Formats: sequence, structure tokens, C-alpha cells
Amino acid sequence: AQTVTQSQPEMSVQEAETVTLSCTYDTSESDYYLFWYKQPPSRQMILVIRQEAYKQQNATENRFSVNFQKAAKSFSLKISDSQLGDAAMYFCAYRAGSEKLVFGKGTKLTVNP
Amino acid sequence: DTGVSQNPRHKITKRGQNVTFRCDPISEHNRLYWYRQTLGQGPEFLTYFQNEAQLEKSRLLSDRFSAERPKGSFSTLEIQRTEQGDSAMYLCASSYGQQSTDTQYFGPGTRLTVL
Repeated sequence: AQTVTQSQPEMSVQEAETVTLSCTYDTSESDYYLFWYKQPPSRQMILVIRQEAYKQQNATENRFSVNFQKAAKSFSLKISDSQLGDAAMYFCAYRAGSEKLVFGKGTKLTVNP
Repeated sequence: DTGVSQNPRHKITKRGQNVTFRCDPISEHNRLYWYRQTLGQGPEFLTYFQNEAQLEKSRLLSDRFSAERPKGSFSTLEIQRTEQGDSAMYLCASSYGQQSTDTQYFGPGTRLTVL
């Protein structure tokens, strides 16, 4: 079964600092996609960043970047220069061979001023 | 582009009642998805449509659940004979559906409370 594990239920970071959120996944597929979604309190989920498994280069989107380690089945999210608006639940998700996304349980990120 | 919309945003019902939720996807998105999110968990896939065809259903979608997308535009999710375990946030998402990398855009969700 495909599973996604986020081992950090909560994380906190000081404004302007850098934080890394962890995600591991289990799959036997060779072709798949990985995502990080952000869910602010009482607001809808939005895509932060995505990575195609066949690409060796790590994806980046402005202050957000990933460390994709395919052999280790690890997909961590790094947020640089953290801002108060980054406070949210962050979900790691996986998709392969199907349209459905498989999500982890999430990490609650708090940004301290 | 007004985003994915869902109605109602909140629904409180008594056990045993039927409820129906509506999702309006982003216009021109031909794929539509339903997920369920319980407290402290990530969303879990329920079903998805390509146009009006329901192409995949999760085992989570028991016989009491039915989803439709009659004209390939909006979708409804009905839960019959609700149970307290059905209390959750029901999320809808849509995507353009032309490539496997298409982003799924989520709506704000409908929060169901079954008393």
C-alpha cells in the first residue's frame, strides 16, 4: 500500500529563519509525483510545490524548496525566510498510477514573530 | 476564475438524516475529486470524475454514499442515513485533466457534524 508519513506533528520557527518539514513515503512505483500542500486555518488547501520522481533536480518555488531523495523515499520541504503568513498545516502528498492523492497526516507550522 | 466553490460550508444534521453537498469546479476543469478529512488527519480520497464519468471510487465510499456529476460541471455528494462517524470536512478539488501533472485545486470544504 502506498503510504505517506510526516513524523513531525508540530514545528515552530522564528520569523525570517529557515525550517525543514520531513516526509517519507512508501511505494513500489517507479513513476510518481510528490506534492506539498498548505492549509491555512479555516482556508482552503493550496499547492506549495511539486516534484516529478523522474527529475533529479530538486524543485524550488521562491522561498520554498524540496530535498528529494528517491532512494531513501524522502521528500522534505524547506521554507526560507519564514513569514507569519507561512503559518499553516502542511501536507505531503503522493500520486502514482491513479488520479488520487495520498496525503500524510500533516505538520502544523507555527511562525513566531 | 473564481476557484472551486462548495455549498453549504457547514452542515449540522441528526443521525439517520440524509445530506447533500454541492461542488462547483473551476470552469473548463474536466476532472473533479472528492476527499474526506477528519480531525488531525490528512484528506482521504473518496472518488473522482472525468467529465460526467465516475472513474474511481475508494472503499471508503460505502453504499450510503453516492456522488454524481450529471453534466460534467458541478457535482453532488449525498450521504444517506448519516452516522456520527461521517462527521468530517468534505473537500472537493478540480483539475484541468490534460496532463498527469495537473494541479488539483481545492475548495474550502463542507464541514459536516452529525449529532
